[in-house]
Order: sequence, then C-alpha cells, then structure tokens
Amino acid sequence: NAGVMQNPRHLVRRRGQEARLRCSPMKGHSHVYWYRQLPEEGLKFMVYLQKENIIDESGMPKERFSAEFPKEGPSILRIQQVVRGDSAAYFCASSPQGARTEAFFGQGTRLTVV
Amino acid sequence: GESVGLHLPTLSVQEGDNSIINCAYSNSASDYFIWYKQESGKGPQFIIDIRSNMDKRQGQRVTVLLNKTVKHLSLQIAATQPGDSAVYFCAEIPHTGANSKLTFGKGITLSVRP
Repeated sequence: NAGVMQNPRHLVRRRGQEARLRCSPMKGHSHVYWYRQLPEEGLKFMVYLQKENIIDESGMPKERFSAEFPKEGPSILRIQQVVRGDSAAYFCASSPQGARTEAFFGQGTRLTVV
Repeated sequence: GESVGLHLPTLSVQEGDNSIINCAYSNSASDYFIWYKQESGKGPQFIIDIRSNMDKRQGQRVTVLLNKTVKHLSLQIAATQPGDSAVYFCAEIPHTGANSKLTFGKGITLSVRP
C-alpha cells in the first residue's frame, strides 16, 4: 500500500505562471488535506476535501488558489499567477475517515517562484 | 485567539537520555491530539495520538501525556537516538464537528548529541 504521493517534489515557476500540485491519497482514503509550510514554521491549514466536495477552505487565500479532488484521479492544488510569496512547501495528507483519525502526509512539493 | 504552541524552540539531549517535548494548547474544545515528527526535506510523520478521554498513551519508545486541567501535552522519547533528531509538532483538533481540521503548533527542534 503506497503512501501519500505528491508530485512534483520540486517545482520552479516564474512570477505570473501557474503552479499545479498533485496529491494521490493512500488507497482507500477519501479525505484529503492541503497544508502550506514556510521555512522554520509550522504547517498552516489550507483546504480539506472529500471526493468531489470541498469541506473546509477557510485557510485558502480567496484569490488565485483553488483545489479539487475529483471522483477519479489525484487531488490538485492550483495556484494561478504565482508571486514570490507563494514560495513554500505544500503538503498533502489523507485519512480514511476524516480528521479524527490518523492522517498520513506526503513528502511535499517545494514551490519556488523566481 | 485559540492557538497551539510549544514552550521551547529547540531541545538538545544526549544520546541515550530521555527527551521530553512539551506543548501547550489553548482551545479547551480540542479532543484529539497528535504528535508528528518531521525530518529535513520530508513530510510530517505520525508518531502517536491521544484522545481527550485518556491521560496517557504509550507507543514504541514514546509516551504521550495529556493534562486537560492545564491544557498541556507532552511527548516523551525513551533512550533518545540520533535518528530522533527532527522537528516535532503537536497538533490538535477541536470538537466542533466531524469535519474539523488539524491545527499545528510551530514546532520544536530536537537535537541529539552523540
């Protein structure tokens, strides 16, 4: 049973480009969470999704950021018109039954905006 | 506001000694807590969890203690090894519904001296 898979591991984008980050949850997990981590800081919640539904997006910036978790395929975190401040590590976690069960994290995507 | 925080930013221990990492939380509604370990360049790794109806839970070489009276959580690592060197995060989930999200503290760095 493979763990949570995120790709790419490293992503470099120029200012104004789009960044697409992918997360494949563990097999049998239908809950996905995205977190952002700045250097030397903790993880900040962004969005919580179940299959085809956004449950909680209270941590997502209102503009330029969007997330989806389609019925088939990975969850996608999309950042449009990236700016230097978007540079961070983005982590995805999945769980089988929601927040009060063990959530497993992927290795993250490190986004660098140049 | 509600927050999860850690008392000390860094902890240095001698190999073989026991380590104690402390965490204070302010949300009295939290009823589920998790400790994560994050090594450099990797995603957070689940260590151990505890629910608010428990005071103590033991794993392999690790013990989590929960003191709800003073809203304090600690992680004890027995016979600390060099491989334990990492950043440790405590995280909580408030009891505000089935879809509550994990809120992370800022992290504490554990450094093991040989």
